[in-house]
Amino acid sequence: EAGVAQSPRYKIIEKRQSVAFWCNPISGHATLYWYQQILGQGPKLLIQFQNNGVVDDSQLPKDRFSAERLKGVDSTLKIQPAKLEDSAVYLCASRSPGTGVYEQYFGPGTRLTVT
Amino acid sequence: AQSVTQPDIHITVSEGASLELRCNYSYGATPYLFWYVQSPGQGLQLLLKYFSGDTLVQGIKGFEAEFKRSQSSFNLRKPSVHWSDAAEYFCAVVSSNDYKLSFGAGTTVTVRA
Repeated sequence: EAGVAQSPRYKIIEKRQSVAFWCNPISGHATLYWYQQILGQGPKLLIQFQNNGVVDDSQLPKDRFSAERLKGVDSTLKIQPAKLEDSAVYLCASRSPGTGVYEQYFGPGTRLTVT
Repeated sequence: AQSVTQPDIHITVSEGASLELRCNYSYGATPYLFWYVQSPGQGLQLLLKYFSGDTLVQGIKGFEAEFKRSQSSFNLRKPSVHWSDAAEYFCAVVSSNDYKLSFGAGTTVTVRA
């Protein structure tokens, strides 16, 4: 079974530029998560999708971050414009549907450096 | 809301020595607990999980963890570390209501020869 795929793996941009990250979850996983992991910290949830609908985006800085999950499969996270404090690893995770299924499977992440 | 505390930011251990990483959780109901490992430049890999039953759980790569409800702890152990165990380790708790995962700040493990 293929894992969660993310691209690109690394990205360097200047502040005020825009950037987009892509995630392809495990096949059949209805729930998709985007996390932000700042150096020295644990991952922090940005947004959660159930199929193509947003379940929770309370921690997403909506003035600059946006995300979508068209057709309930792939997802894109965008930052526009980027700030220095957005430098972090952006992790995508997915979870299989069903009650009592708690495990999330993580992709390799995209390391963003904003200069 | 649930939360996780990992008291040790950084641990250095000699190859072949034992390792124990501490994790304390805060959660009102029965906790569902995980340990993840993150090698440099990699994503998070699940080491083991605790949902119910036997409080000593076995995971991959020779790791085990013990759930102690009285101490609100879920410490990770390995009897003999290998150089490849150098990584960052995260303890996490999931809410049984909304399936949200909350992570600790992580413990970085350095293995010296």
